[in-house]
Amino acid sequence: AQSVSQHNHHVILSEAASLELGCNYSYGGTVNLFWYVQYPGQHLQLLLKYFSGDPLVKGIKGFEAEFIKSKFSFNLRKPSVQWSDTAEYFCAVIAGNNDMRFGAGTRLTVKP
Amino acid sequence: NAGVTQTPKFQVLKTGQSMTLQCAQDMNHNSMYWYRQDPGMGLRLIYYSASEGTTDKGEVPNGYNVSRLNKREFSLRLESAAPSQTSVYFCASSEFRQGVYGGSYEQYFGPGTRLTVT
Repeated sequence: AQSVSQHNHHVILSEAASLELGCNYSYGGTVNLFWYVQYPGQHLQLLLKYFSGDPLVKGIKGFEAEFIKSKFSFNLRKPSVQWSDTAEYFCAVIAGNNDMRFGAGTRLTVKP
Repeated sequence: NAGVTQTPKFQVLKTGQSMTLQCAQDMNHNSMYWYRQDPGMGLRLIYYSASEGTTDKGEVPNGYNVSRLNKREFSLRLESAAPSQTSVYFCASSEFRQGVYGGSYEQYFGPGTRLTVT
């Protein structure tokens, strides 16, 4: 079965800093990739998704992610974070079926 | 549309007690899922139902049973709760979206049930 690794467990940034959260997956075939965000006390919401085509995907709230097939990576980026981006971020992958696997999550804290 | 709803929001059980978590969706999705979320482990799939009348095990099915009552409802039952089942449980539903370059399942999540087993 496919697996997902998020290497950063907790990231602390100041407002206006740039963000990059790493995500790697292990599956050799066609994948669909997602980033979800979970604000404190809330449920998961979809930030962005990749099906195929343009490897640079733009999502909501200024987030984007780049799919690099050769590196099995789908890193999340934002040029300038805000305090309101404080949340937990989950990378997820579906490979060939509707069994979605999630990474362990990265907690982002943005200091005002 | 309410989306995905779950009841209860909070529950405390004693070891050995049983309970059923309820989930319903009003988006006419075929597929539904139960996950548990534990610190540092992300979300792990317990069971899923690809369509009405079918259920399949996910990563961590032991200690749980599910019922796909109809297209809208998918319940999760703990027959004999254990402290290791203390977790936040999320229900999700999905539909297949066909895009220009292909398609995928996009999941929509409920608000979660925080379960504590003492």
